[in-house]
Amino acid sequence: ETGVTQTPRHLVMGMTNKKSLKCEQHLGHNAMYWYKQSAKKPLELMFVYSLEERVENNSVPSRFSPECPNSSHLFLHLHTLQPEDSALYLCASSQGGTGNTEAFFGQGTRLTVV
Amino acid sequence: AQSVTQPDIHITVSEGASLELRCNYSYGATPYLFWYVQSPGQGLQLLLKYFSGDTLVQGIKGFEAEFKRSQSSFNLRKPSVHWSDAAEYFCALLLSGTYKYIFGTGTRLKVLA
Repeated sequence: ETGVTQTPRHLVMGMTNKKSLKCEQHLGHNAMYWYKQSAKKPLELMFVYSLEERVENNSVPSRFSPECPNSSHLFLHLHTLQPEDSALYLCASSQGGTGNTEAFFGQGTRLTVV
Repeated sequence: AQSVTQPDIHITVSEGASLELRCNYSYGATPYLFWYVQSPGQGLQLLLKYFSGDTLVQGIKGFEAEFKRSQSSFNLRKPSVHWSDAAEYFCALLLSGTYKYIFGTGTRLKVLA
């Protein structure tokens, strides 16, 4: 496998459920990201991890909990979500910190909260 | 504050026509700029990037972009659009020395046969 892989591709969950999104990168990058993409809104940066340390946390509600066990894997744990959390969740990776590198994106997880 | 503006939410062109998508940025330091394309239900794919040097950059799928510092712009162009180019296009700015990419709101391109 190459690039950035996200699972599952689609997820429907109730407001009382707990679920997790998984992201894996095979690019040897040192930074991983979670973005939220809602209709008619810019991509919202949620979390950034560099070398497994969280370096950015953009005032995201605590019902979203990230985990980065190593530089290749990133999880987003979800619990007691709201319908407005329905969106496409994109994972990305980059060789960050040097300032001249692009982010590589996964295919996304389409999340629907019912 | 840093920002990226894509003034056109929707653009419709005929197949074979030329295309220009506009992007303006606001940033006081050296900008690192990108164009991405997203097909429905998919992730973002990098079309091209500008870091420094030649202000006209070539990308994949026949796209090019021109960086104009005086106008704070990084417009995307293609001389002849194909039906498969229908997608949403995002301009992005990387803040120097950070991990923070700022994205525009996107331009949705429709191609008429």
